[in-house]
Order: sequence, then C-alpha cells, then structure tokens
Amino acid sequence: AQSVTQLGSHVSVSEGALVLLRCNYSSSVPPYLFWYVQYPNQGLQLLLKYTTGATLVKGINGFEAEFKKSETSFHLTKPSAHMSDAAEYFCAVSSGTYKYIFGTGTRLKVLA
Amino acid sequence: NAGVTQTPKFRILKIGQSMTLQCAQDMNHNYMYWYRQDPGMGLKLIYYSVGAGITDKGEVPNGYNVSRSTTEDFPLRLELAAPSQTSVYFCASSYSSPTPGELFFGEGSRLTVL
Repeated sequence: AQSVTQLGSHVSVSEGALVLLRCNYSSSVPPYLFWYVQYPNQGLQLLLKYTTGATLVKGINGFEAEFKKSETSFHLTKPSAHMSDAAEYFCAVSSGTYKYIFGTGTRLKVLA
Repeated sequence: NAGVTQTPKFRILKIGQSMTLQCAQDMNHNYMYWYRQDPGMGLKLIYYSVGAGITDKGEVPNGYNVSRSTTEDFPLRLELAAPSQTSVYFCASSYSSPTPGELFFGEGSRLTVL
C-alpha cells in the first residue's frame, strides 16, 4: 500500500525567506511523485512531478523538489517566498495504476 | 478551453435527499476521478473511471454511485444524503500515458447536508 505524510499542517515564512515543505512517502514499487497547489476556493493545479530520471525536479513559480529514495522524501522548496505563494500544498504519490494518494496538505502563510 | 467543469458549485441538502454532482471535461481524457476534501484530511478518492463504461471504487465509495456513459461526463450520485457527506467534492481528469499524468481539477462543489 502507498501512503504520503506531510509534516506540518501549517507553515509560516517571511517574504523573501526560504520555503521548505516536507513530504515523505511509502511505496512498495518505484513511486511517481507530485506536488499540487490549491488557492482559496479553487481546484488543485500541478506544481511539479517526478516520474523517472533526474531527481531534482523544477516546477512552476520557482518551486523545485528533490526525490531522495534513501530518505523516501520529496520535499518542496523555493529560495525566496512571495506573498502570492500563500496557499495549500499537497504532495501525492502514484504507483502507476492511475490512482493517486494525497497527503493531508500544508497551508503556507507568507508574512510581510 | 473549459477544462473540467463541475456543477453545482454550492448545494444544501436535507438528510435523506438525493442529488447528482455533474462533471464534464473537454480534453478527451480517458481517466476521470471524484475526490472529496475535508479539512485536515487531504483528498480521498471516491470513484474513478478509466474509460467510458468502466468505473471502480476508490477509498471511500460508500453512499455514492457513478456512471460513465461518455468520455466527457462523469456524474456522481449521492443517495440518501447524510451529514457525513458534507464536504467539498472535486472532479479530476487525466490523459493516458505510460506513466501517471497530471490531474486536471474542476473548481469544486461544496455540499452541506443538514
């Protein structure tokens, strides 16, 4: 069975500071990993995804994530937070069966 | 391009009533999904479909039914609504590919059961 754990349901950072959102996964097969962002009263949209190949994945809006198999992690980072980054972020895993398991989400607050 | 369209956006039901949440996509995606989102719980898969005429249960199917008669439409039926079905419902679709593709989400349907 697959699962996703997102550490920290709420994270606050100052504008211009590093953003680090944590995601650990469990999977018995090589995983496919995703980060989605949800702005208030909207659906989720894809930030980035890891399938195979390069372990450092770059996404939209300056976000990136690194797949670390030994740590079973796929943490999301951004060097400098912007006010517009305030949203809820979801990590998701798929084994390739086209079912996606989502984490419980991390709400990011950006302080001026 | 409309993408994934869900209706209604908001609905209040009384206990025991039934209703259908509509979902349509215009991207010719084979795969379609229904999720529910509850605060602090993330998204839970209710039902999914890999093509017209084919549906399967997800993690939390009880109290719901689906059908997929066309590629475009994937309605979710709630029978005998209960307060536990108060939630935000998202429909999503994705394209066929050798590896899991991006999920495209609708804007959600907020349902309250009183």
